[in-house]
Amino acid sequence: NAGVTQTPKFRILKIGQSMTLQCTQDMNHNYMYWYRQDPGMGLKLIYYSVGAGITDKGEVPNGYNVSRSTTEDFPLRLELAAPSQTSVYFCASSYSGLEAFFGQGTRLTVV
Amino acid sequence: GIQVEQSPPDLILQEGANSTLRCNFSDSVNNLQWFHQNPWGQLINLFYIPSGTKQNGRLSATTVATERYSLLYISSSQTTDSGVYFCAASRGDNLFFGTGTRLTVIP
Repeated sequence: NAGVTQTPKFRILKIGQSMTLQCTQDMNHNYMYWYRQDPGMGLKLIYYSVGAGITDKGEVPNGYNVSRSTTEDFPLRLELAAPSQTSVYFCASSYSGLEAFFGQGTRLTVV
Repeated sequence: GIQVEQSPPDLILQEGANSTLRCNFSDSVNNLQWFHQNPWGQLINLFYIPSGTKQNGRLSATTVATERYSLLYISSSQTTDSGVYFCAASRGDNLFFGTGTRLTVIP
């Protein structure tokens, strides 16, 4: 039972490069989320989705894009990476906004 | 969104001691969770507790929804309890996090 799986676990990007962080869940949850965690801070919501084909902005969406074509997958796209996007990214899922389960995180460094 | 405040920000305990962590939230919620972030950065679900009291081994939690706070109790602390404890609350789509309590348990 894998739960929420994120790939990659670590990545170093150069300024201006783009990449996609992958997230997949096998719990048939309708809600999925992307958070970022800066050093010593709590988690801030980037984007979320309440079902396939539906996405919405969270607190800190600038510089990111998402899509939700299936229930299982919720990729996060970074366009034109900037040093301010250096962070740890967490994906999560829940059933209709109830108990949320998190992936193991992706540590991203932009240099 | 919901404002989530946690206290204390930092806590240092001798192994075997007990502690209480507090989470205040600014609005009515239908989801209140406690997480432990271990030294490797992994977020571990401790409790899903929008109201009432739950216990799991040495840990227990109480949420008083009408007064908008939740408490996490750690008894007989162990060095493996070290890390950051987060409270998160939601009343719909978004789950809002507090800034955490950093717990250090000394042998």
